[in-house]
Amino acid sequence: ELKVEQNPLFLSMQEGKNYTIYCNYSTTSDRLYWYRQDPGKSLESLFVLLSNGAVKQEGRLMASLDTKARLSTLHITAAVHDLSATYFCAVTTSGTYKYIFGTGTRLKVLA
Amino acid sequence: GAGVSQSPSNKVTEKGKDVELRCDPISGHTALYWYRQSLGQGLEFLIYFQGNSAPDKSGLPSDRFSAERTGGSVSTLTIQRTQQEDSAVYLCASSPDRRPLAKNIQYFGAGTRLSVL
Repeated sequence: ELKVEQNPLFLSMQEGKNYTIYCNYSTTSDRLYWYRQDPGKSLESLFVLLSNGAVKQEGRLMASLDTKARLSTLHITAAVHDLSATYFCAVTTSGTYKYIFGTGTRLKVLA
Repeated sequence: GAGVSQSPSNKVTEKGKDVELRCDPISGHTALYWYRQSLGQGLEFLIYFQGNSAPDKSGLPSDRFSAERTGGSVSTLTIQRTQQEDSAVYLCASSPDRRPLAKNIQYFGAGTRLSVL
């Protein structure tokens, strides 16, 4: 059974600092997604990572994938308050449409 | 429409009652998903539709839960004889089912917050 773990679960950081969120999954996956969820809102797709070594960047967020280690990271550079949200990773197994989500990382950026 | 629409946005019901939750996907999206998100938790997969058929119902937590989709569009999630543990936010997502699957990004609705008293 495919399982997805994220850490940390909660992250409070100062503006301007860097940090990394980790997403580990238990079996082979062919796609990994990162989503953002603001309080009381729905999920917004951030990145799709497909292959080993894939790296995607959007503004202060950069996501990478290591399929051999079954690990994805979401790196935050010089955090700003607007990045405060809950971040989820999700994976799928080959040929399926079933998305397994991590428990999420609640990020709070302090001014 | 511009996005995935879910109704109602909030539903309060009494234990033992049946509820129906509705999802209108983005026009043209053939894949539709239902998830459950309990307070402070991640998303739990419930069911997936490809067109009107549901090849994967493995996530439905009990036989009190059922879902259907008609006309390849609107979907309804029904919970019979609701229990307090059914209280959660129920999220619907749709995707265009493009090939390669890499393009199969999910677009989520705002969810229905269900409270069972």
